[in-house]
Amino acid sequence: DAGITQSPRHKVTETGTPVTLRCHQTENHRYMYWYRQDPGHGLRLIHYSYGVKDTDKGEVSDGYSVSRSKTEDFLLTLESATSSQTSVYFCAISEGRAAYNEQFFGPGTRLTVL
Amino acid sequence: GNSVTQMEGPVTLSEEAFLTINCTYTATGYPSLFWYVQYPGEGLQLLLKATKADDKGSNKGFEATYRKETTSFHLEKGSVQVSDSAVYFCALSDTGFQKLVFGTGTRLLVSP
Repeated sequence: DAGITQSPRHKVTETGTPVTLRCHQTENHRYMYWYRQDPGHGLRLIHYSYGVKDTDKGEVSDGYSVSRSKTEDFLLTLESATSSQTSVYFCAISEGRAAYNEQFFGPGTRLTVL
Repeated sequence: GNSVTQMEGPVTLSEEAFLTINCTYTATGYPSLFWYVQYPGEGLQLLLKATKADDKGSNKGFEATYRKETTSFHLEKGSVQVSDSAVYFCALSDTGFQKLVFGTGTRLLVSP
């Protein structure tokens, strides 16, 4: 199994509070991704990173920011959480940028915003 | 834009039945196609993939053929097991960068 951990695994927070989710990898892969999973939508890309300090927006980036100061860590921040951000968040990594590269997924973080 | 459409579930089968989960796609380039599986409480893991037209991906008895003429990548298995119960996601990644676009997922329930 690819060495990907996410923390916390579960979190309940209140509307308006900041939340940071952490993804940590031990594979030294260059590319990292954050997705959210919602019923009826599958997984949707929030942000991705193609190297340290290099990030870009995905399909549903509004209300989220990311940072990557080290190869192994990719942080997702909700500056002011809203109920619409209640979801399961998955981190993924890939070795290369080509379309055929496999992505490896972490175990997910279930976030509930009350 | 790119998109993936897959059949809604749940798909309910008895053990040893034949499985088909339909997946069609829309893409502007020449995508790679994937099937990912999610077991309860876990993240997604790659089941199989195909990177060009007429390629067949296969793994653990599952197969899918990349059909460019029908823009399809249907997942099949000849004899399902209870342990195959999971959610299956069809996905594509278009040329240029590895950004996956997922279908909505199909839950498979296999009973003994």
